[in-house]
Amino acid sequence: QSVLTQPPSVSGAPGQRVTISCTGSSSNIGAGYDVHWYQQLPGTAPKLLIYGNGNRPSGVPDRFSGSKSGTSASLAISGLQAEDEADYYCQSYDSSLSGYVFGTGTKVTVL
Amino acid sequence: EVQLVESGGGLVQPGESLRLSCAASGFTVTSNYMSWVRQAPGKGLEWVSIIYSGGSTKYADSAKGRFTISRDNAKNTLYLQMNSLRPEDTAVYFCARGPGYYGVDVWGQGTTVTVSS
Repeated sequence: QSVLTQPPSVSGAPGQRVTISCTGSSSNIGAGYDVHWYQQLPGTAPKLLIYGNGNRPSGVPDRFSGSKSGTSASLAISGLQAEDEADYYCQSYDSSLSGYVFGTGTKVTVL
Repeated sequence: EVQLVESGGGLVQPGESLRLSCAASGFTVTSNYMSWVRQAPGKGLEWVSIIYSGGSTKYADSAKGRFTISRDNAKNTLYLQMNSLRPEDTAVYFCARGPGYYGVDVWGQGTTVTVSS
């Protein structure tokens, strides 16, 4: 059972904006550890989408944005496109576990 | 080109051992944090182990005492020695650079481990 909780699924029509939450605790996100976000298309390896809470690697469209507040973080996708259909995971460090943790994962569906 | 290529997966029986390899190109394994991340069929991502640039290591509770992460400087290769394998270790195992400040910024394509009698 992951210590970072995400909604199992979110959906939206093309062009809409969707957000994915990542809820942690005082031993991970709330302790100040960075949150990173990954996109995983079916049958492929994950891809880094956001690092350091809100930074985009080169090549990632600015439709993707990340933020962090308190014990939670969020990923927003604006201008939703068909190719955004994928699984999304947050990731951080947990001091109680003394290890790295991934969120439970969220499947994004474009209606 | 920065790349990670895993090998060594396969079908083993419960209690057996397996060693995964991950050949890196385009960067030096010893200068980076390197991890193994796994994904059971139909499930989410699970961090397994990390070796830091200084050589220290960490393991998830599920891997402690059974798995050993290591690296070969000359071959620029990362390894995961897995002993006493259990059916619940069945997963795709990804080699990864990080997590560091930039998160996990390089992923391998994954190698499949199946533990079954």
